[in-house]
Amino acid sequence: GDKVKQSPSALSLQEGTNSALRCNFSIAATTVQWFLQNPRGSLMNLFYLVPGTKENGRLKSAFDSKESYSTLHIRDAQLEDSGTYFCAAAGTGGYKVVFGSGTRLLVSP
Amino acid sequence: EAAVTQSPRNKVAVTGGKVTLSCNQTNNHNNMYWYRQDTGHGLRLIHYSYGAGSTEKGDIPDGYKASRPSQENFSLILELATPSQTSVYFCASGDRDINQDTQYFGPGTRLLVL
Repeated sequence: GDKVKQSPSALSLQEGTNSALRCNFSIAATTVQWFLQNPRGSLMNLFYLVPGTKENGRLKSAFDSKESYSTLHIRDAQLEDSGTYFCAAAGTGGYKVVFGSGTRLLVSP
Repeated sequence: EAAVTQSPRNKVAVTGGKVTLSCNQTNNHNNMYWYRQDTGHGLRLIHYSYGAGSTEKGDIPDGYKASRPSQENFSLILELATPSQTSVYFCASGDRDINQDTQYFGPGTRLLVL
């Protein structure tokens, strides 16, 4: 089965609304990264997390290693937030990172 | 300027041919990675490296070799390309040892094997 399962697989939002993306892990994840792949294909780092939370502007992410999940909250969604969001987890040993299949987000006016 | 670059950006190869994808990073990161991205699979790790001279197998290494001749350069080699290797390939660098703890990706290489 999937070691890193993302939900939902696709999401449509109207501008100005809020939503949350989720990753569940079946591996003993110690760190989590969130990335955004824009419609042109470029991958951008959003967050790197050890257990806890981080916030950056309209984005906030949390990682609970005991419950094996991470969330990415998007507040006041904007058109430029559209793209595919990936989470990636690493376990003990650190270097082998496992990606989820992504959440495709479309923000509309 | 971009810290992780890849070449070529697009490549068409024939089945059985040899393909070399190159990656260069100016981040001075110890770790470098090669992933492929296919619809429905996200990114999957092919090979990675801890530093010059080191190559390690990732999750899907079969059919691929890697070479890390220097801190800056990490190549992915397909000795006998097959159509199943048609994909988008991403290189990344990272260095957790000095608390630079995120992966930085190149722009990707689109490979089509006919």
